[in-house]
Amino acid sequence: SQTIHQWPATLVQPVGSPLSLECTVEGTSNPNLYWYRQAAGRGLQLLFYSVGIGQISSEVPQNLSASRPQDRQFILSSKKLLLSDSGFYLCAWRPGTGAGKLFFGSGTQLSVL
Amino acid sequence: AQKITQTQPGMFVQEKEAVTLDCTYDTSDPSYGLFWYKQPSSGEMIFLIYQGSYDQQNATEGRYSLNFQKARKSANLVISASQLGDSAMYFCAMREVYNFNKFYFGSGTKLNVKP
Repeated sequence: SQTIHQWPATLVQPVGSPLSLECTVEGTSNPNLYWYRQAAGRGLQLLFYSVGIGQISSEVPQNLSASRPQDRQFILSSKKLLLSDSGFYLCAWRPGTGAGKLFFGSGTQLSVL
Repeated sequence: AQKITQTQPGMFVQEKEAVTLDCTYDTSDPSYGLFWYKQPSSGEMIFLIYQGSYDQQNATEGRYSLNFQKARKSANLVISASQLGDSAMYFCAMREVYNFNKFYFGSGTKLNVKP
């Protein structure tokens, strides 16, 4: 069966520090991968998605970047965090073919102080 | 314009009663899919139910059913026999046929089930 791992669960970082959040999927190949951000009490905002290794689509121009160095690995990064980067970050995947639903990781609560 | 609108920020329901969570959507695509997810306090998003735009019947999954009214562009979630464990945030989402990669989410409804 397929599983998605996302870490760390919580992170407190100072303004101006770098960020690296990692997400991996097991039990499937060539998944579509996604990064969402959820501000407190709000809905989900799509940040990036990827349909293959090295293929990244950015939905919102901002202080963040994403990379997919391996088929089942998706990384969210920042060189210098801003206060506005605080939020709950969710990684998700869906099968690369067909119209499947999204499967989500457990999320990372990021606090930038 | 908002793709998905959830107008109920918060709702209360008595345990064992039914509750309807509203969702309206906006699309001009001929084919689309509608989803409902549950987010407990732990934060993980749990898939509940799916409705395709061409499905003739309303989707049902256990105690969850989707009241799909295509002409009104609404896809309300009905939870029957509410349980305390149903207390959570609920999100409606849509995916359009021309871009399977974009799932649009509403702002969510916080459901509180009272004992």
